Amino acid sequence: GEDVEQSLFLSVREGDSSVINCTYTDSSSTYLYWYKQEPGAGLQLLTYIFSNMDMKQDQRLTVLLNKKDKHLSLRIADTQTGDSAIYFCAESIYAGNMLTFGGGTRLMVKP
Amino acid sequence: EPEVTQTPSHQVTQMGQEVILRCVPISNHLYFYWYRQILGQKVEFLVSFYNNEISEKSEIFDDQFSVERPDGSNFTLKIRSTKLEDSAMYFCASSETSYEQYFGPGTRLTVT
Repeated sequence: GEDVEQSLFLSVREGDSSVINCTYTDSSSTYLYWYKQEPGAGLQLLTYIFSNMDMKQDQRLTVLLNKKDKHLSLRIADTQTGDSAIYFCAESIYAGNMLTFGGGTRLMVKP
Repeated sequence: EPEVTQTPSHQVTQMGQEVILRCVPISNHLYFYWYRQILGQKVEFLVSFYNNEISEKSEIFDDQFSVERPDGSNFTLKIRSTKLEDSAMYFCASSETSYEQYFGPGTRLTVT
């Protein structure tokens, strides 16, 4: 079945860029997502990219997709302490389909 | 900004009891989902619901689970006879377009 993997932990200094990586196994993945989870809160949809795109930028967020390597990344520019959270990568094969999540990357931003 | 809400935030129940977890999706959304996250594990899909019927379900979603949209606003997940291994955070999600899923804050279910 599909599998989505992420590294567990990333620590950066405030003002630096953060890059969170994700790999997936299913070449049929059509939609790829990044969600953010703050302590005690639900999953906040940050951004998503369709598989026919290589890059998507949304303010401080840049998503890069390498379909050949099945690799997705989320770059957060000028990382702030408020960006400290768990970031989940997820994929789905078609619209309305279930999301398959990675295990989440805990981002810690040091002042 | 509209958001998905879930009640209760925390539910404690004894093994074998029935529980109903409630969700109010965003009002103009048509696609509804339940996911769960057991502590320390990945978020797992349970079921999706569209046009008043289940559109997809996972292996986890066995006969002990059911979903219902009893009125125009609520979406519920019922677990008929809870087991210890049902202890998890349960997330409801809804979608208007079918590819953007918006999640609620979750209900933490503790089965003792």
